[in-house]
Amino acid sequence: GEDVEQSLFLSVREGDSSVINCTYTDSSSTYLYWYKQEPGAGLQLLTYIFSNMDMKQDQRLTVLLNKKDKHLSLRIADTQTGDSAIYFCAESRGDSNYQLIWGAGTKLIIKP
Amino acid sequence: ETGVTQTPRHLVMGMTNKKSLKCEQHLGHNAMYWYKQSAKKPLELMFVYNFKEQTENNSVPSRFSPECPNSSHLFLHLHTLQPEDSALYLCASSQFPDRVAGQYFGPGTRLTVT
Repeated sequence: GEDVEQSLFLSVREGDSSVINCTYTDSSSTYLYWYKQEPGAGLQLLTYIFSNMDMKQDQRLTVLLNKKDKHLSLRIADTQTGDSAIYFCAESRGDSNYQLIWGAGTKLIIKP
Repeated sequence: ETGVTQTPRHLVMGMTNKKSLKCEQHLGHNAMYWYKQSAKKPLELMFVYNFKEQTENNSVPSRFSPECPNSSHLFLHLHTLQPEDSALYLCASSQFPDRVAGQYFGPGTRLTVT
């Protein structure tokens, strides 16, 4: 298949960790990305991981990549109300002329 | 201005109107993109320009017509649209072939076709 799949919604309590999951289909994918879209705004690149890495950490963000299962996750530690947004997973395939294949986005809802 | 700007931010048009969306990038990039974003669906890539040359047209209906006069500006000309064309239209830019930095997006134009 061609799809990048994500759950549409995730609800977490403020202060807890959020884990947003994504599955992709192409084993030739070289870069995988997480983008964040806040209300009324365009997409903003949060982080990326290269396909020869298993994990990447950047402050409160941890990206895990399981190439065998074609599974990517984004963990946000100590989730804050400012983290409320839609999070998009995207893959850059080796044969795609550098274009991105996108998931439908996961809306992160923060409960007080 | 910094980053990627888009005008107008909101547009309401009838099915017989002709309008244009404008995008400008201030990042010195050499590639620009038009995407269509509909709720709960993946972003749909419409057009790609590398070095002002169109390299992708993903089966977009001819009622959408892109124009890229230089590497900083991108237009999307609209005519005789349908209600199902109502969506958020996002412009993005990148520095081809760099993949690390990803694509930079504008805030989008919210289009409503009545």
